[in-house]
Amino acid sequence: DIQMTQSPSTLSASVGDRVTITCRASQSINTWLAWYQQKPGKAPKLLISRASSLESGVPSRFSAYGSGTEFTLTISSLQPDDFATYYCQQYDSYSPLTFGGGTKVEIK
Amino acid sequence: QVQLQESGPGLVKPSQTLSLTCTVSGGSITSGDSFWSWIRQSAGKGLEWIGRIYADGSTTYTPSLKSRVTISLDTSKNQFSLKVNSVTAADTAVYFCARDKSLLGWFDTWGQGSLVTVSS
Repeated sequence: DIQMTQSPSTLSASVGDRVTITCRASQSINTWLAWYQQKPGKAPKLLISRASSLESGVPSRFSAYGSGTEFTLTISSLQPDDFATYYCQQYDSYSPLTFGGGTKVEIK
Repeated sequence: QVQLQESGPGLVKPSQTLSLTCTVSGGSITSGDSFWSWIRQSAGKGLEWIGRIYADGSTTYTPSLKSRVTISLDTSKNQFSLKVNSVTAADTAVYFCARDKSLLGWFDTWGQGSLVTVSS
């Protein structure tokens, strides 16, 4: 299986901060990567697919980049609604689908 | 707009079979435009994809659970189901059903989740 490693596991930040989360794959996955946001007691919500394609309705302060084994999710100006846990997920067609361990963005 | 809703027992005894159903509304599971998956989330292992089914009944499972898992369709009720046999405490988790409309592997629509506890 392809292992997905996210860093940091927890990130403390303030409203207005620029934050970046990193996701690394154990082998190349091209751009077969999605990002999700999850709030307590809720299901994950799809933010980005194909490594950098923003889903409809997702604020433009979210952006993502990467290919191969290294990927990033950036929130340009953190808003109160953005405090949540973020997960990456790979969907390489020759491997079981796997998720990263998550990055909790908390209030500083 | 497609919506998914999980249902099933919240408590299962060790060694027994966990059974959950996902009811799909706003779309047909036989339309052929989506994969239908089960995903679970536990404190110990985070998010874990269990497997998926397509409109023709073909399935794919994650290797670590393949020997204990069955996903099936009930087209008359527009539902798909999950069975996990020989459960242990390690199967305690919130179970989500989810749709992959891209047919590539990401999940655009999720159910709200169903907590299943394995305990005697």
